[in-house]
Amino acid sequence: ETGVTQTPRHLVMGMTNKKSLKCEQHLGHNAMYWYKQSAKKPLELMFVYNFKEQTENNSVPSRFSPECPNSSHLFLHLHTLQPEDSALYLCASSQETGPEAFFGQGTRLTVV
Amino acid sequence: QKEVEQDPGPLSVPEGAIVSLNCTYSNSAFQYFMWYRQYSRKGPELLMYTYSSGNKEDGRFTAQVDKSSKYISLFIRDSQPSDSATYLCAMSFSGGYNKLIFGAGTRLAVHP
Repeated sequence: ETGVTQTPRHLVMGMTNKKSLKCEQHLGHNAMYWYKQSAKKPLELMFVYNFKEQTENNSVPSRFSPECPNSSHLFLHLHTLQPEDSALYLCASSQETGPEAFFGQGTRLTVV
Repeated sequence: QKEVEQDPGPLSVPEGAIVSLNCTYSNSAFQYFMWYRQYSRKGPELLMYTYSSGNKEDGRFTAQVDKSSKYISLFIRDSQPSDSATYLCAMSFSGGYNKLIFGAGTRLAVHP
């Protein structure tokens, strides 16, 4: 395994479902991030974890709940989502002191 | 006013052309300037980054930062069909973890 791995790659869920996105990084980094990418819009930072501690919550609705059990794993728990939450969700990791962020392939989420 | 402005394109060029991609920004506190390449259905891939002003070259790619004008550029020489992708500029502040602010991306098509 190399780099940043996200599962699943695609997810279709109803508005009443609960699902989780998983991210794992094999780069030895100590910071992990969730970004949202919607069509024709810039990537939006959602959450930042630094040494497993959440250091940023960019006014994200509570129906998105992150979890970082260790420096290598990051989850995004989803519940009662809305159709407008359909997007590509990207996980990234970096060294705390460096500017370079490395991204996973993303999870394409569709809420029906 | 958006913090980072980027022309979405699409930009279509013939193989072998020199491509110029640009972003403008409003926050003079940005210190790190990144360019990412994103192929369809993939996560962003870091191409190169520059700290503060100046130029940086890596193979066929050259990044330029003009902080006085709040303007950054990415030049691609001898463009290839494999360069066809969306190019994202991103910026962050000096120090600390990597809170990236992205442009919306420019879609580039290089035709044989």
